[in-house]
Amino acid sequence: AQSVTQLDSQVPVFEEAPVELRCNYSSSVSVYLFWYVQYPNQGLQLLLKYLSGSTLVKGINGFEAEFNKSQTSFHLRKPSVHISDTAEYFCAVSDRGGAQKLVFGQGTRLTINP
Amino acid sequence: GAVVSQHPSRVICKSGTSVKIECRSLDFQATTMFWYRQFPKQSLMLMATSNEGSKATYEQGVEKDKFLINHASLTLSTLTVTSAHPEDSSFYICSAHGGLGTDTQYFGPGTRLTVL
Repeated sequence: AQSVTQLDSQVPVFEEAPVELRCNYSSSVSVYLFWYVQYPNQGLQLLLKYLSGSTLVKGINGFEAEFNKSQTSFHLRKPSVHISDTAEYFCAVSDRGGAQKLVFGQGTRLTINP
Repeated sequence: GAVVSQHPSRVICKSGTSVKIECRSLDFQATTMFWYRQFPKQSLMLMATSNEGSKATYEQGVEKDKFLINHASLTLSTLTVTSAHPEDSSFYICSAHGGLGTDTQYFGPGTRLTVL
């Protein structure tokens, strides 16, 4: 079974500052990792995913994440945030690509202050 | 990109009534659809996995007789909350997967259910 831990429930950041949202996972098998963003009262939008290959993954809206197998982490980063990045961010893991069940972390509320 | 719709977006019903939520993949065929439930300020919890033409697989602790799932076609899955009670009030989100050769689930916009 897999599990995902997002270490920060809330992250306040000033506009144009860098941000890192932390995600750690546990699994007994090879995993695939995802970051999703959820705006208020909406569904989830895929930011980026790691399936294989380069451990540095670039996604939409200027976000990127790095898969670190030894630390079982998949932290999300953005060098300069905007007000529009205010949202809930979810890290998720599955054991066989997106075809199989996703296990989500608890979510991190990113708040961008002017 | 792939689009998944849900209907209705919001529904308010009386306790004891049944509510049906539709999930449609608009521009691709979804061999598998997933139903999630999200309580306020919490994460998504998988309720069931729905494969076209077969019975849904429910997660532990989810009552299959209360949450009826039907996946009658490759573009439509429905979730019916039977005899709804206030504790069933939640945000229900579906996702759709395109099958072999694809690796991403596409999420619907969610349905806010309020049971009075």
